[in-house]
Amino acid sequence: EPEVTQTPSHQVTQMGQEVILRCVPISNHLYFYWYRQILGQKVEFLVSFYNNEISEKSEIFDDQFSVERPDGSNFTLKIRSTKLEDSAMYFCASGRNTEAFFGQGTRLTVV
Amino acid sequence: KQEVTQIPAALSVPEGENLVLNCSFTDSAIYNLQWFRQDPGKGLTSLLLIQSSQREQTSGRLNASLDKSSGRSTLYIAASQPGDSATYLCAVKVNYGQNFVFGPGTRLSVLP
Repeated sequence: EPEVTQTPSHQVTQMGQEVILRCVPISNHLYFYWYRQILGQKVEFLVSFYNNEISEKSEIFDDQFSVERPDGSNFTLKIRSTKLEDSAMYFCASGRNTEAFFGQGTRLTVV
Repeated sequence: KQEVTQIPAALSVPEGENLVLNCSFTDSAIYNLQWFRQDPGKGLTSLLLIQSSQREQTSGRLNASLDKSSGRSTLYIAASQPGDSATYLCAVKVNYGQNFVFGPGTRLSVLP
């Protein structure tokens, strides 16, 4: 059964460093999303991507974040200068405008 | 702004019990509602999707209902098993956007 895959599963980075989180969505899906979950808190929407552009973003998704679909299969989230408060589980999801399928997440730890 | 709440926050039951998890949302203008399961430190597994025009969906021992006008959904789990222990999240897809708004989840423990 097709699934959304995310790499790496866990990343530790120093404050101020740039990180790129990678996702391979399900191949025939058209909508792509990033969400994050800070430990013990709700899953929060970051950004949605459709037709090669951002379709919606939350207040969390400020100038330090960016997304890209560089080669038609991968979907990446870049955090330019990480802060301690960026430590969270980051989930990628894809869908065809109805149901969303989520990956297993990347746990980002900023030290 | 859409807000999603879930009660109870945590639930502990003996194996074999039937149970109901509740989800409420403040804005009835939803596109659909999805129930997910999350194991500790893991990703989100989709359980059931209910479109806004539907009243319920069933998958095995799971049944989800939707009352859009009152802003409520319930997830019914029949004959619970220890393997059902996890956090259950509901999420609504808002009509005016593509994103899902998640509830805080109900942490379920089924004791053998």
